[in-house]
Amino acid sequence: QVQLVQSGAEVKKPGTSVKVSCKASGYTFTSYGIRWVRQAPGQGLEGMGWISAYNGKTNYAQKFQGRVTMTTDTSTNTVYMELRSLRSDDTAVYYCARDTSGYHPWGQGTLVTVSS
Amino acid sequence: ELVLTQSPGTLSLSPGERATLSCRASQSVSSSYLAWYQQKPGQAPRLLIYGASSRATGIPDRFSGSGSGTDFTLTISRLEPEDIAVYYCQQYGSSHTFGGGTKVEIK
Repeated sequence: QVQLVQSGAEVKKPGTSVKVSCKASGYTFTSYGIRWVRQAPGQGLEGMGWISAYNGKTNYAQKFQGRVTMTTDTSTNTVYMELRSLRSDDTAVYYCARDTSGYHPWGQGTLVTVSS
Repeated sequence: ELVLTQSPGTLSLSPGERATLSCRASQSVSSSYLAWYQQKPGQAPRLLIYGASSRATGIPDRFSGSGSGTDFTLTISRLEPEDIAVYYCQQYGSSHTFGGGTKVEIK
C-alpha cells in the first residue's frame, strides 16, 4: 500500500537546524510531488511548500523562503525537509504528504521541539 | 491570498444526527480544487473528499461534499462516535491553503 514513513522526533536548540526525512513506498516515487505541512501545538495546518520527486523542483511558501530547503533522493525514495535558524515558534509536528488530488496519504508526523 | 473560513468553530451533536460543516472562500476556488480532511487527536490528517465532492478511497458514504465557487459544504449524514475529530477544508488550486477547522464533538 502507499505509505510515507517519517523520521523520529527531534529536540533542537534555538538557532540550529533540523532535517526531517519522509520515505515513500508502494507507488512510483517520481510520479508525484511531496508537500510539507506543519501543525503547532493546538493549532491548525500550515503549508510549507512542495517538491517534485521527478526533477527536484521546489516551491516554498513565502513565510519559509530563505529558511527551508527540500530535497529528494530517488535512489532511496526519500524526501528531506531542512529548516534552519530554528525559533521556539517552530515547535510543531511536521508532516509530509503525497501531492495528488488533495494530499494523500500523509506521513505519521515528526515532532520537532525547539527549546533552550 | 485566498482565505478559507470554516464555520462553525465547534459542532456538538448526538449520534445519528446530521452534521453540516461550511467552508467559505474569499475568492472563487478554481475547478473545484477543494478538499476536506479529518484529523483525530494524535493522528495525521486523512483525506476525505477531493474535487469538492469525490470521496477518497475507503471513505464511508455517510461523508459527502458539495459546493462550487466560494461556498462548500461537508455533510456527515448520520454522526458516528468515531467521527469525533477536527475537519479542515483546503484549496489546492492556484495556491494551497487550509481553513481553520471545525471541531465535531458528541453532545
